[in-house]
Amino acid sequence: KAGVTQTPRYLIKTRGQQVTLSCSPISGHRSVSWYQQTPGQGLQFLFEYFSETQRNKGNFPGRFSGRQFSNSRSEMNVSTLELGDSALYLCASSLEQGASGANVLTFGAGSRLTVL
Amino acid sequence: DAKTTQPTSMDCAEGRAANLPCNHSTISGNEYVYWYRQIHSQGPQYIIHGLKNNETNEMASLIITEDRKSSTLILPHATLRDTAVYYCIVRLFSMNYGGSQGNLIFGKGTKLSVKP
Repeated sequence: KAGVTQTPRYLIKTRGQQVTLSCSPISGHRSVSWYQQTPGQGLQFLFEYFSETQRNKGNFPGRFSGRQFSNSRSEMNVSTLELGDSALYLCASSLEQGASGANVLTFGAGSRLTVL
Repeated sequence: DAKTTQPTSMDCAEGRAANLPCNHSTISGNEYVYWYRQIHSQGPQYIIHGLKNNETNEMASLIITEDRKSSTLILPHATLRDTAVYYCIVRLFSMNYGGSQGNLIFGKGTKLSVKP
């Protein structure tokens, strides 16, 4: 089956611009999480969505936002870009396991954002 | 969430077993141990997880000590393609969110280099 698809894979923006990244989860997965990866900070959790509702949020400024659509696809938006926003943005989807056990994330290949 | 401690780097000869340790001395009774790995420029890949018992799948084995304060990931016959950063994560299984825990906390991980 198809994996987690992220678009675009690479993009270059300038300071002050805004960017929207897209994530299509594995079919049937209803939970989508976003992570930022930088050389200095490593992998950091941004937010998680389930059934169009944000249910967890990491420690990022309000310039970072996201949403999830009824088909579970998700987008994240970064406004007023700063040089420090240059990073690999990873999306992961998961299938709710309920009481059956721990959950497993399947990650996409990421969107590499460069801010000049 | 409990934190983990892993060695920064390890080397392993091709064809030999790679044993990656992880300390999680503050783990609580309902926290799972997950292992993910990240090959350069790709999204993290799930390997295995466990709660109390040792686990094995087609990729690896997970040995959890009886007191659950540490664990070891074993790649039985390491290949060059196993060169990656390996992350050990402990995460609470919570019924509050239907069991899903999308916000994993990644540490620095162990950079495993498999050498010919």
